[in-house]
Amino acid sequence: AQKVTQAQTEISVVEKEDVTLDCVYETRDTTYYLFWYKQPPSGELVFLIRRNSFDEQNEISGRYSWNFQKSTSSFNFTITASQVVDSAVYFCALSEGVYNDYKLSFGAGTTVTVRA
Amino acid sequence: EAGVVQSPRYKIIEKKQPVAFWCNPISGHNTLYWYLQNLGQGPELLIRYENEEAVDDSQLPKDRFSAERLKGVDSTLKIQPAELGDSAVYLCASSKTGLGLDNEQFFGPGTRLTVL
Repeated sequence: AQKVTQAQTEISVVEKEDVTLDCVYETRDTTYYLFWYKQPPSGELVFLIRRNSFDEQNEISGRYSWNFQKSTSSFNFTITASQVVDSAVYFCALSEGVYNDYKLSFGAGTTVTVRA
Repeated sequence: EAGVVQSPRYKIIEKKQPVAFWCNPISGHNTLYWYLQNLGQGPELLIRYENEEAVDDSQLPKDRFSAERLKGVDSTLKIQPAELGDSAVYLCASSKTGLGLDNEQFFGPGTRLTVL
């Protein structure tokens, strides 16, 4: 069964628009970590954020913000005032348990295209 | 600081041929990972090394795939013989440690394999 679901396959926006990427996860563990990675056309995955299951505080980093809601098992990511350089594939990932926290289960990714 | 280096970036081979991918992790990173990324999917872990030891190879198809990390630094992933279904991107990642707060994974650009 898919542990991480990213329902949006592709999103296309015009520069300066906000874009929100949805991520829904599934786990039975009480201890887990959630991640977002960015994969630009060059190929390498770039780490954006990690949150543990005990910290539901929303986080803002520049134009990026994350909304973690355990009640709905969601960890959504918003890019505010998008720029062309934000065009990439974005992956949400989950690692479960204390002793397997290296094991990332990735969603299928959402391709974001920002048009000038 | 140099990132994770992988070579070659692209490889085209005919089925039944052998192929090898090389990875040089970030200096000082003890943990090394190999991932497989199929088109339109998120990466899937193949194997994880702690120094020279393969501590999780449960997802590695051992009939045709092998990996080594002889001196606990560089690593090689081999496929012999390659099949059409092996066409994918092979990503290498490294982290300071495998567990805990220092296990943030840094990814290389990947090797795109095409099997004809």
